[in-house]
Amino acid sequence: GAGVSQSPRYKVTKRGQDVALRCDPISGHVSLYWYRQALGQGPEFLTYFNYEAQQDKSGLPNDRFSAERPEGSISTLTIQRTEQRDSAMYRCASSLGDRNWGETQYFGPGTRLLVL
Amino acid sequence: GENVEQHPSTLSVQEGDSAVIKCTYSDSASNYFPWYKQELGKRPQLIIDIRSNVGEKKDQRIAVTLNKTAKHFSLHITETQPEDSAVYFCAASGNDYKLSFGAGTTVTVRA
Repeated sequence: GAGVSQSPRYKVTKRGQDVALRCDPISGHVSLYWYRQALGQGPEFLTYFNYEAQQDKSGLPNDRFSAERPEGSISTLTIQRTEQRDSAMYRCASSLGDRNWGETQYFGPGTRLLVL
Repeated sequence: GENVEQHPSTLSVQEGDSAVIKCTYSDSASNYFPWYKQELGKRPQLIIDIRSNVGEKKDQRIAVTLNKTAKHFSLHITETQPEDSAVYFCAASGNDYKLSFGAGTTVTVRA
């Protein structure tokens, strides 16, 4: 079946602009995660949703970053007033949500954000 | 929070030889340890995982071992092939679901 999809795949923006990154999880997956991956590094956790509820946002770097999943499916990560240090690959992942722990997370292709 | 360290950062092996990647973690509450393979320009893909109630798991040429007392786990790839060349990431999570990743190991298999 279809995997996790993200759009846009590439985003170039100017410093100070707002950007919205979209994630479409695997159909039926209850849990959704956002990670940020710097070049040559492993993904770094940003936030986690169970259905539409944002259960954990401890990884969001500051209040310019926000995320929502209003209907428990598609999620949007928004970065306001972008800065050059926000440039990175932003990855979404999803999992079934049928275990109390140890769920397999499936990653999307990512959105490469470049802030000029 | 959880801190995962991964070694080595690069690994070059002759085709047919074995490759071993080691990771340590800091949070004794961590109970799930997946390994992801990431080819250049692609998304991370799960290759094997192990949960804290198991000490070892094998899947064809890939095996993972877990030592909860020492808080370390390892990935073993036997009979390496050129298609095994990629970046490998270890990760750990507890009941909070969020994965903490190691910095990655770039594996190159020489033909």
